[in-house]
Amino acid sequence: DAGITQSPRYKITETGRQVTLMCHQTWSHSYMFWYRQDLGHGLRLIYYSAAADITDKGEVPDGYVVSRSKTENFPLTLESATRSQTSVYFCASSESAGGRYEQYFGPGTRLTVT
Amino acid sequence: AQKITQTQPGMFVQEKEAVTLDCTYDTSDPSYGLFWYKQPSSGEMIFLIYQGSYDQQNATEGRYSLNFQKARKSANLVISASQLGDSAMYFCAMREGYGTNAGKSTFGDGTTLTVKP
Repeated sequence: DAGITQSPRYKITETGRQVTLMCHQTWSHSYMFWYRQDLGHGLRLIYYSAAADITDKGEVPDGYVVSRSKTENFPLTLESATRSQTSVYFCASSESAGGRYEQYFGPGTRLTVT
Repeated sequence: AQKITQTQPGMFVQEKEAVTLDCTYDTSDPSYGLFWYKQPSSGEMIFLIYQGSYDQQNATEGRYSLNFQKARKSANLVISASQLGDSAMYFCAMREGYGTNAGKSTFGDGTTLTVKP
């Protein structure tokens, strides 16, 4: 499928388990991002990547790990899930189209930690 | 201090009327970009409109326009002729920085718009 996809779309896991959320984009965009959106709130940046093998922390990185070995993939791992990580997670990608860098978002993954 | 402030948690507008959603920003970088995104109840995030800090004219995309007042650091979204399908949460965002930070954006908390029939 063209565009940006996330899997799974829904996930229920238990406290302490490791969970990996997948993100795949077909546009070869340089930038990729992971956000979390808590109920009724805006987006908070977890991690971002400017290119393959270049990643950096965002506003709320604790408890999360990312990697980017290929341009098109940007998985997010919760090392030991906690209830406070229950949220909707959005992946996005971006490229410099004349310096604009508008972001294109995946459909989101709704994660519940019990 | 918040970089993006959206002071209206919720707004109502009558169908076919125009509505303005407020956004103020804070940056000391002379080169930056401002965005608006729409999030309908279905949850997806949709890019609407972009304004660059050096753009001389206000951006327009169909029924959306961005009222950019640089000295006041405001970037309000104007939706003309509101439709029921415009009911959604709207986020203002700002891009600033260079190099590997160039593509990173900061988002506001959003404004929920409800269009009344």
